[in-house]
Amino acid sequence: ETGVTQSPTHLIKTRGQQVTLRCSSQSGHNTVSWYQQALGQGPQFIFQYYREEENGRGNFPPRFSGLQFPNYSSELNVNALELDDSALYLCASSLPWRDEQYFGPGTRLTVT
Amino acid sequence: QQQVKQSPQSLIVQKGGISIINCAYENTAFDYFPWYQQFPGKGPALLIAIRPDVSEKKEGRFTISFNKSAKQFSLHIMDSQPGDSATYFCAASRQAAGNKLTFGGGTRVLVKP
Repeated sequence: ETGVTQSPTHLIKTRGQQVTLRCSSQSGHNTVSWYQQALGQGPQFIFQYYREEENGRGNFPPRFSGLQFPNYSSELNVNALELDDSALYLCASSLPWRDEQYFGPGTRLTVT
Repeated sequence: QQQVKQSPQSLIVQKGGISIINCAYENTAFDYFPWYQQFPGKGPALLIAIRPDVSEKKEGRFTISFNKSAKQFSLHIMDSQPGDSATYFCAASRQAAGNKLTFGGGTRVLVKP
């Protein structure tokens, strides 16, 4: 059984640019959640996808958007990048009837 | 009513000692309380979790104590080892809301040999 994987590992972008981050969920997990973790802070919930539909959203602006594909993998897209978007972006997968969420290693995004 | 407050921000413990981390929550609808361990450059790893229908859960050297009336829960790391040096996060979620996790601010634990 493979764990949650994310790509790329690191990314440097310029303010105003757009970025796409990718996540492959753990085998059999059809629910994917994205979190933003600023340096020295706990992760903050961005949104969740279940069966290719958004299933809840945290306090993030619309320039944060996502997709889930039929194989349960997911993308996080951020438009018009701001300096404050610099963070570790984490993907977590889970089964819909289970509480446990398993995180990937994250993508470190730096916006300059 | 979504906040989870965690303390202390950091702690130092000698090898073999006990590390204690505390969390308090506000939303009484939360029904799942996990603890995650995170090493530098890695994603959080699920350590142990508890539901509000039990007051204590133990897995190896890790124990969660839960006080529903006080809306508090804590992690005890017994016989702390240098390999336990990491940042620990408490979290809370509500199954009816899709188990979106609300995290505490984290505690950096350093175990001195």
